[in-house]
Amino acid sequence: DAKTTQPPSMDCAEGRAANLPCNHSTISGNEYVYWYRQIHSQGPQYIIHGLKNNETNEMASLIITEDRKSSTLILPHATLRDTAVYYCIVRVASDYKLSFGAGTTVTVRA
Amino acid sequence: EPEVTQTPSHQVTQMGQEVILRCVPISNHLYFYWYRQILGQKVEFLVSFYNNEISEKSEIFDDQFSVERPDGSNFTLKIRSTKLEDSAMYFCASRRGLGDEQYFGPGTRLTVT
Repeated sequence: DAKTTQPPSMDCAEGRAANLPCNHSTISGNEYVYWYRQIHSQGPQYIIHGLKNNETNEMASLIITEDRKSSTLILPHATLRDTAVYYCIVRVASDYKLSFGAGTTVTVRA
Repeated sequence: EPEVTQTPSHQVTQMGQEVILRCVPISNHLYFYWYRQILGQKVEFLVSFYNNEISEKSEIFDDQFSVERPDGSNFTLKIRSTKLEDSAMYFCASRRGLGDEQYFGPGTRLTVT
């Protein structure tokens, strides 16, 4: 029941921006886009979420296309500690359980 | 910054034994969750809990599993008779209220031998 599609892996240079794509072409009007990450089998860590508008917080920016069928998570200045599996999750507003996919394994290289 | 905590960090048990995994959610949070992650696989939802009752459970959460909030601070997951396939990382998560994100604990690694 995968609702999102992410590339399995990507590399990024330390200090550069990391742009993580996610496709969610079947997203409904009441579904949010959430991003979590998991660093080496630790508990998933919330990054950011959005519905329609672009969002920014201290960790990242989330760019959602106008048709909402895809989004991009931007880590503005990647560090080695950002090496993790990043999960893009679509969640219905009324259903709070999170359905994790395989995510994107991001490796930040010095 | 408040955190979800879990104990123990690693639990080893023999098949058929009962285990209790413990979680202390963030203090003003009202919604609680358990997830598990078998080694090399996806994080899977097990159960959600609110107002002292289960809100939703997955197919994985069968009669061998139970959850409890025995006091105002702890949230526990009990597996009555462990099986080899219960070996996994178990993550507790909590959420304050409507619209809020879930915060996860560091996990308990359960190894059933």
